[in-house]
Amino acid sequence: DAMVIQNPRYQVTQFGKPVTLSCSQTLNHNVMYWYQQKSSQAPKLLFHYYDKDFNNEADTPDNFQSRRPNTSFCFLDIRSPGLGDAAMYLCATSRIDSLSYEQYFGPGTRLTVT
Amino acid sequence: SQKIEQNSEALNIQEGKTATLTCNYTNYSPAYLQWYRQDPGRGPVFLLLIRENEKEKRKERLKVTFDTTLKQSLFHITASQPADSATYLCAPQGSGTYKYIFGTGTRLKVLA
Repeated sequence: DAMVIQNPRYQVTQFGKPVTLSCSQTLNHNVMYWYQQKSSQAPKLLFHYYDKDFNNEADTPDNFQSRRPNTSFCFLDIRSPGLGDAAMYLCATSRIDSLSYEQYFGPGTRLTVT
Repeated sequence: SQKIEQNSEALNIQEGKTATLTCNYTNYSPAYLQWYRQDPGRGPVFLLLIRENEKEKRKERLKVTFDTTLKQSLFHITASQPADSATYLCAPQGSGTYKYIFGTGTRLKVLA
């Protein structure tokens, strides 16, 4: 089945130690998103790619970077994780040339910072 | 700034009743509004989309309304079941954009 895959599902990192989260999709969607979601809060958009065009949200900390080497893969790099970066990180895709614009989410990566 | 509000308190209802969830927005004129379901520890799952020129949309036991005058969407689950227990998120979307602002969601619990 076509889907959005995130690895790992759970990630533990130390304060200040760089970490990379990965996302892959078999839907061939042209837009990929990264969201941060903390407990009982709304998913917060960090950035998105429209094809290879990168779009950063104004309030996304510089500590967060992203790469999209091809259509299928997207990475979230946290250069120096702080305790406040502990959250669920959600990857999503969307096919913008459709009429529905629905997003397909991966299962998320739960990041713990010790 | 744009603001999306959903009932932050959990909604408990008895099995078989209709659940009604509210999504209000301010400083925003969305062309579309989507509803998602999120189970604990998982990513949201798309349920329904309604356009600004549609008053109502139905899918099986789900019904969504969109009132652009009141700046509000209502999400109904009829004949609710314990399996409907989850958090429901609304996500308005502006015309010409593929970015979404999510509400904080309303946690629904259907009691057997």
